[in-house]
Amino acid sequence: AQKITQTQPGMFVQEKEAVTLDCTYDTSDPSYGLFWYKQPSSGEMIFLIYQGSYDQQNATEGRYSLNFQKARKSANLVISASQLGDSAMYFCAMREANSGGGADGLTFGKGTHLIIQP
Amino acid sequence: ETGVTQTPRHLVMGMTNKKSLKCEQHLGHNAMYWYKQSAKKPLELMFVYSLEERVENNSVPSRFSPECPNSSHLFLHLHTLQPEDSALYLCASSPGQGVEAFFGQGTRLTVV
Repeated sequence: AQKITQTQPGMFVQEKEAVTLDCTYDTSDPSYGLFWYKQPSSGEMIFLIYQGSYDQQNATEGRYSLNFQKARKSANLVISASQLGDSAMYFCAMREANSGGGADGLTFGKGTHLIIQP
Repeated sequence: ETGVTQTPRHLVMGMTNKKSLKCEQHLGHNAMYWYKQSAKKPLELMFVYSLEERVENNSVPSRFSPECPNSSHLFLHLHTLQPEDSALYLCASSPGQGVEAFFGQGTRLTVV
């Protein structure tokens, strides 16, 4: 079973509109972290926002916010007032606390290709 | 700039060649990672190094050989690769557990 599911392979959005990118996850670990990354065409992965499983409030970073619904195992990324420069691939990822070892890799979803149209 | 630098940015190699990918970070991070990103597939974790020791090897073929000589440098040695190994190879580092990883810009590898 997939640990991270992103159901939107691609999205077209008008500039200045808000965007919601879906992410659901699967884990039995009570302690985990959820991440969103942006990957522009240049290839590098840019960290956007982090949500810990025990955080009471939804994470926010500038125009980015994470709609964390723990019971539904959902961690959607919301981008407010989208800009042309937001066009990129967006990846949801998870790190489980008990996946073994002192430093654990992230498990990524397949990504959503977001295109902002003028 | 995330502080993680990968070289080369692009690499084309034949199936009989031997090449190495290099990753460097001066962020003081203890953990470094190699990921493979193939077309239309999620990023796949290949190797994890923590304090210069390998802690995870996700059944990666032996034609990929990592090396971590110190906490700032990570290499991926490549030999006798296959065309299906063509992908974007991303290096990342993190201070440790439970925090975000910082990625390099990747090496676009093409095996011909």
